[in-house]
Amino acid sequence: GESVGLHLPTLSVQEGDNSIINCAYSNSASDYFIWYKQESGKGPQFIIDIRSNMDKRQGQRVTVLLNKTVKHLSLQIAATQPGDSAVYFCAENSPSNTGKLIFGQGTTLQVKP
Amino acid sequence: EPEVTQTPSHQVTQMGQEVILRCVPISNHLYFYWYRQILGQKVEFLVSFYNNEISEKSEIFDDQFSVERPDGSNFTLKIRSTKLEDSAMYFCASRDRGASTDTQYFGPGTRLTVL
Repeated sequence: GESVGLHLPTLSVQEGDNSIINCAYSNSASDYFIWYKQESGKGPQFIIDIRSNMDKRQGQRVTVLLNKTVKHLSLQIAATQPGDSAVYFCAENSPSNTGKLIFGQGTTLQVKP
Repeated sequence: EPEVTQTPSHQVTQMGQEVILRCVPISNHLYFYWYRQILGQKVEFLVSFYNNEISEKSEIFDDQFSVERPDGSNFTLKIRSTKLEDSAMYFCASRDRGASTDTQYFGPGTRLTVL
């Protein structure tokens, strides 16, 4: 069935440390993956994406890693800041090709000052 | 920077009443979506819309739901007879080109409370 999941519901890190948020997906036919950040009371905000023909992509302070062999996706945040505190969702596109996104459960990142 | 907007931010309604949630997608986008998020849960797909017709819908999107693009800018979600379990955040999203890998941008959401 369709499912995208995250390993930990909550991650607590010290300000300045690096954060790693993990996600496991089940559909081996998915070819596009996205990380969204959701702050309280707001909509999902695009962070970074990766296509299945890549295994790593870097943005500003963020890196996404894709391991298709074990169907695993991770988001690395360097030098985590208090403003990074939010819920992080991974999502995969559905093979239906309509752009439908399948979201995981979400990981709450808490940054301690 | 262009963004998706949604109105109202919060809608309170009585069970059985009709509600219309409104969205203005990013202006040059061609694909439109509605998702919902029950409090504390993950975001769930409801429906996708392209070229003035539904391209895919989920099991949640039953006969009580409908979508419309009444003009060149608005995209609406109507729930004909609301139920208690329809209480959730509803997010509109849009994306640009035809490739399914293009980024979807989400609006801030409408919180629907059914009493």
